[in-house]
Amino acid sequence: DIQLTQSPSTLSASVGDRVTITCRASESIVTWLAWYQQKPGRAPKLLIYRASTLETGVPSRFSGSGSGTEFTLTISSLQPDDFATYYCQEFKTYSYTFGQGTKLEI
Amino acid sequence: QMQLQESGPGLVKPSETLSLKCSVSGYSITDGYFWAWIRQPPGKGLEWIASIYHSGTTYYNPSLRSRVSISVDTSKNQIFLKLNSVTAPDTAFYYCATQGGHFGTWGRGILVTVSS
Repeated sequence: DIQLTQSPSTLSASVGDRVTITCRASESIVTWLAWYQQKPGRAPKLLIYRASTLETGVPSRFSGSGSGTEFTLTISSLQPDDFATYYCQEFKTYSYTFGQGTKLEI
Repeated sequence: QMQLQESGPGLVKPSETLSLKCSVSGYSITDGYFWAWIRQPPGKGLEWIASIYHSGTTYYNPSLRSRVSISVDTSKNQIFLKLNSVTAPDTAFYYCATQGGHFGTWGRGILVTVSS
């Protein structure tokens, strides 16, 4: 099975900061990777798919990059609404594995 | 606008079967997408459970395959999940979602607690 490892597990930042979250896959997943945002008590929300394609309606301050085994989610200028937990997910295999999550806090 | 709504018992006894329904509105499940169930134990990460296409093609998480069944009722625009022989670790929020590889539209989720 493919393993996804996110780093860091927790990230402290301030409004206006540029932040980057990394997701590493145990083997190549080409660009079969998605990113989600989850706020407490809410379902996850799709942000990015195919590693770098922004889902409709997602602010352009979010961007994704990478291929193979290393991927990044970048928020260019943190807004108060962005403090949440972020997950990566692979869809190269029929296991659809998620990363363990990165909690972005103030 | 597509909406997904999970429903079912919020409490299931150990060794019994968890049965959930996902009702889809604003979109016909025969128009495309796979339909998936995903769960999340309180305070923990996400785990994909199973996926189904309206034609009946199914995929299951290998770690749950022996206990899980997913099905659809196209006439009612609903997707179903059954998980048998539940134990406390099956306590989780259960979500249904559209799937095109990634999971696009999610329901709000339902908390199912396994307890006697």
